[in-house]
Parts: sequence; C-alpha cells; structure tokens
Amino acid sequence: GAVVSQHPSWVICKSGTSVKIECRSLDFQATTMFWYRQFPKQSLMLMATSNEGSKATYEQGVEKDKFLINHASLTLSTLTVTSAHPEDSSFYICSARGAGGRYEQYFGPGTRLTVT
Amino acid sequence: EDQVTQSPEALRLQEGESSSLNCSYTVSGLRGLFWYRQDPGKGPEFLFTLYSAGEEKEKERLKATLTKKESFLHITAPKPEDSATYLCAVSSSNTGKLIFGQGTTLQVKP
Repeated sequence: GAVVSQHPSWVICKSGTSVKIECRSLDFQATTMFWYRQFPKQSLMLMATSNEGSKATYEQGVEKDKFLINHASLTLSTLTVTSAHPEDSSFYICSARGAGGRYEQYFGPGTRLTVT
Repeated sequence: EDQVTQSPEALRLQEGESSSLNCSYTVSGLRGLFWYRQDPGKGPEFLFTLYSAGEEKEKERLKATLTKKESFLHITAPKPEDSATYLCAVSSSNTGKLIFGQGTTLQVKP
C-alpha cells in the first residue's frame, strides 16, 4: 500500500519552455501533497505544500509564479515549471500524506528535469 | 528552531558487520520521527515511524529506536543490498512539515 507515482521520470526541455510533472497517489487519498527539490548529494528541500482544492503554500524563496502547483483531486497534484532555465535543472520529488491523523509522507520515484 | 542532525555522514561496513546510524533532533512538539531509505536517482522509501520515547520498530535487518533527543537505526548483519542513503526526518506540531537530516550514506562491501 501507499504507492505514489510520478510522470515523467525524466524530461529534457529547451530554455524558455514549460514542463508539467504529475504526481499520483495510487492506492490512497492524499489530502496533502508536497513538492521537493533535491540537488546532488544534498537532502530534500521542500518547495511547497498543497491541500486538495486549496492554493499551494510555498516555502520562502520559491517563486510561486515559476512553479505552479495544482492539487485538483485527492489523488493528483501537478507541478508546472514555467519558462524553464538551466538553473531549474534538478531532481523533483513529490510526496503524499493521507488523512486519519498520521504524518508519514510517501514519496514518488522522482523526476529528473534537464533544461538545455 | 526545529533541527535534525545525522551521523556519520558516510559509513562503510563489511557484509555481516553490524552498526548503528544516529539521528539527533530538536523539535517543538514531536508529531513523529521517520526513517527513509533512498537509492541513487530514486525517491525516498518509507521505513519506520516512531512517535514516543522508548518505541522500537523492526523490519528485516533494521531496527529503529527513539529517545527524547535521538533515534538510532541499527543494522544487523548487513548485506550489500542494504547500501543506500538513510534519511531521518521529524514532523513538528508547529508546522506539520518534515524536517530532514542530511542523511547517512551506507556502503556494505561483500
């Protein structure tokens, strides 16, 4: 149980284009989803938190107009990187947390974004 | 300020050589302490949740314990397939977010 998928697993795009990454909870309803970014040999950096049907809450320093997050259903959240630049190249990981008062987050397999 | 510190940063073991990873934490109102395993190029895989001091959880060769200030991940008779980065995180009652440590990269040699 508690499986989270991400699509695509890797993507290459040209500078100035936008990229959408999907995160799905496959066998549970995710009331809250999180988006992280991870640089090589570093730990995870939280970018934003989203609750189903609400606007996302972004961490300090994360541009909300650049990283658009939509959490339209209890099983799907999307992250759109708008007008991507090479410095946006990174490993993006989503996680999902269910209801019921438990605080574990279950992570997706990650998406490797390369902007050329 | 909520904080998590893991040690050592890296650990090399021979197959079968048992050891422990440490996670020290300070948090305002602990909602849970979590251990994850992360393989290169993949997302973290959930291992354990510990909620209160004295609690212990086991899974195969791994055993996690919790005190009021730290947690240990004991690895008994490790195998090469246990090689990975092990992440510790806490969730505080203030924010509900996970605060991660920097991880311990474990290498088990056959």
